[in-house]
Amino acid sequence: AQKVTQAQTEISVVEKEDVTLDCVYETRDTTYYLFWYKQPPSGELVFLIRRNSFDEQNEISGRYSWNFQKSTSSFNFTITASQVVDSAVYFCALRGSGTYKYIFGTGTRLKVLA
Amino acid sequence: DAGITQSPRHKVTETGTPVTLRCHQTENHRYMYWYRQDPGHGLRLIHYSYGVKDTDKGEVSDGYSVSRSKTEDFLLTLESATSSQTSVYFCATLERGSETQYFGPGTRLLVL
Repeated sequence: AQKVTQAQTEISVVEKEDVTLDCVYETRDTTYYLFWYKQPPSGELVFLIRRNSFDEQNEISGRYSWNFQKSTSSFNFTITASQVVDSAVYFCALRGSGTYKYIFGTGTRLKVLA
Repeated sequence: DAGITQSPRHKVTETGTPVTLRCHQTENHRYMYWYRQDPGHGLRLIHYSYGVKDTDKGEVSDGYSVSRSKTEDFLLTLESATSSQTSVYFCATLERGSETQYFGPGTRLLVL
């Protein structure tokens, strides 16, 4: 069975603080894909990043960075110097290689206060 | 942008009535999905399609049916709507190669 856990339901930070959103996953597949999506208050789902299980390099994109650690089955997302526009619900998702079904976590609501 | 539209975007209906939501894509993607989003549950898969006339169930398929008669359209039907089906419904397509799902704008359904 596959599972994604986002234990942080809601996080509040003050603008310019760094914040890390946690994602822990479970899968028996040796090949799998991990994703992060952002859902701003307007409601659409915006793709942020995909990571393959065989690529453990961390990735940085501007103020966003992702830390993939197979040893702890985690794929955490850090926003550096947060801004009000980062306020959104963030979802982590998993897809194993043997299926075309995607499993989503319950999401973390991030509030960045001015 | 995967060129996904959903219709209607908002709907209010009464318990017991049938409801059909439409998802339309312009990218010729083979795989299409229907999810529902509810507070505390995130996104849950209802049904997905892997080709014309080929569909499979997700984790919350009870009370829903789907149809795909052409590549670009994926229909979700609530045969007899219940209040527990009040939700936001998202359609998605899968871009092969990147293995990434892209989502439509969502349909907000209220069942009274």
